[in-house]
Amino acid sequence: GAVVSQHPSWVICKSGTSVKIECRSLDFQATTMFWYRQFPKQSLMLMATSNEGSKATYEQGVEKDKFLINHASLTLSTLTVTSAHPEDSSFYICSARASGASSYNEQFFGPGTRLTVL
Amino acid sequence: KNEVEQSPQNLTAQEGEFITINCSYSVGISALHWLQQHPGGGIVSLFMLSSGKKKHGRLIATINIQEKHSSLHITASHPRDSAVYICAVLPSGYALNFGKGTSLLVTP
Repeated sequence: GAVVSQHPSWVICKSGTSVKIECRSLDFQATTMFWYRQFPKQSLMLMATSNEGSKATYEQGVEKDKFLINHASLTLSTLTVTSAHPEDSSFYICSARASGASSYNEQFFGPGTRLTVL
Repeated sequence: KNEVEQSPQNLTAQEGEFITINCSYSVGISALHWLQQHPGGGIVSLFMLSSGKKKHGRLIATINIQEKHSSLHITASHPRDSAVYICAVLPSGYALNFGKGTSLLVTP
């Protein structure tokens, strides 16, 4: 099946620093990637939708200047948490939707990145 | 907004038991996903359904579009099946709506 990787799998940083998380589709092209965050014992919450070559679409309440998303190629999207604060500590998960009508509804999830901001 | 309700919220079973997790949603959808999340956090997509029934190993997923209901069944459950199972639906559009998950514990 299709594989999505995330890097790093976990990161600890100091308050005020920026952290970049990568999401890669390893064996397929993904025109659309999604970024989610998940708090402990909560469901996934969609943060933004990233389309290759265009600006990301952010969900209501998500600060686009704080969570910078770049989708520069069909296999890579990045999420940068700028000026991170302890309340940004969370589990960040990406998913990717393969190109092509036959798999339009199918999303493949990355393993997640656990961010801890001290 | 499409509400997604899962039941039960928590489930404990003995090894070998047949397990059913239910998912109901409120508006029309184009697809429904069943996902598995282990304690480490990573999510695995188990099934994507738009109609009928799918089977993979000991896992079976069914969906009834008219009743807006889906079930995930696990036959001959095993401790390694212990995880959170999440139902997610795709209304017209692109964004998945997630249920809150069912936490399953299978004891030896």
